[in-house]
Amino acid sequence: EAQVTQNPRYLITVTGKKLTVTCSQNMNHEYMSWYRQDPGLGLRQIYYSMNVEVTDKGDVPEGYKVSRKEKRNFPLILESPSPNQTSLYFCASSSGTGVLYEQYFGPGTRLTVT
Amino acid sequence: AQKVTQAQTEISVVEKEDVTLDCVYETRDTTYYLFWYKQPPSGELVFLIRRNSFDEQNEISGRYSWNFQKSTSSFNFTITASQVVDSAVYFCALSDMEYGNKLVFGAGTILRVKS
Repeated sequence: EAQVTQNPRYLITVTGKKLTVTCSQNMNHEYMSWYRQDPGLGLRQIYYSMNVEVTDKGDVPEGYKVSRKEKRNFPLILESPSPNQTSLYFCASSSGTGVLYEQYFGPGTRLTVT
Repeated sequence: AQKVTQAQTEISVVEKEDVTLDCVYETRDTTYYLFWYKQPPSGELVFLIRRNSFDEQNEISGRYSWNFQKSTSSFNFTITASQVVDSAVYFCALSDMEYGNKLVFGAGTILRVKS
């Protein structure tokens, strides 16, 4: 089954403790991205990657890192999480780069930083 | 710059009522796509529709219908004979040539359908 998976689905952590949220897709997609969802703000793009070893900032990249060493994986790294990073996170992927390509979203990761 | 506005923060209706969710968008591009997603209480995003800027025909899918009007930059979503299972957050989103794959989302509208 074609899908985007995220792990963990739920995470409660403390300020400053490094964490990684994994994202994996099995569709050989080139483009992957991360969004965060906050009440009243909708979803906003954090980082994106157009292919292996090609990543770039989205609209809200502060406090996050990403890497794209393999085509299928696009982990989101929080080196020193803070309470303002408490949010619902979505990973997405597309088969190509550009407006024509449909996006597939993962199930979401609910992160709480205390 | 891209922008999507969903002015209705929350709507409450009684089952079987019709309800329209508004979406107004801004983009400089002539080629763009508009989307609606549903987010039930479980949290996942459920894709409902994608419409390109060259297709202004209204779309109907069961109890759902969409009204795309370029003249007013609106892409409104109507649920006919609402049901309790329609209770969710609904997002309108835009992607265009300038930003490619990136989706710009509205703030979302919470729909509560009471029995």
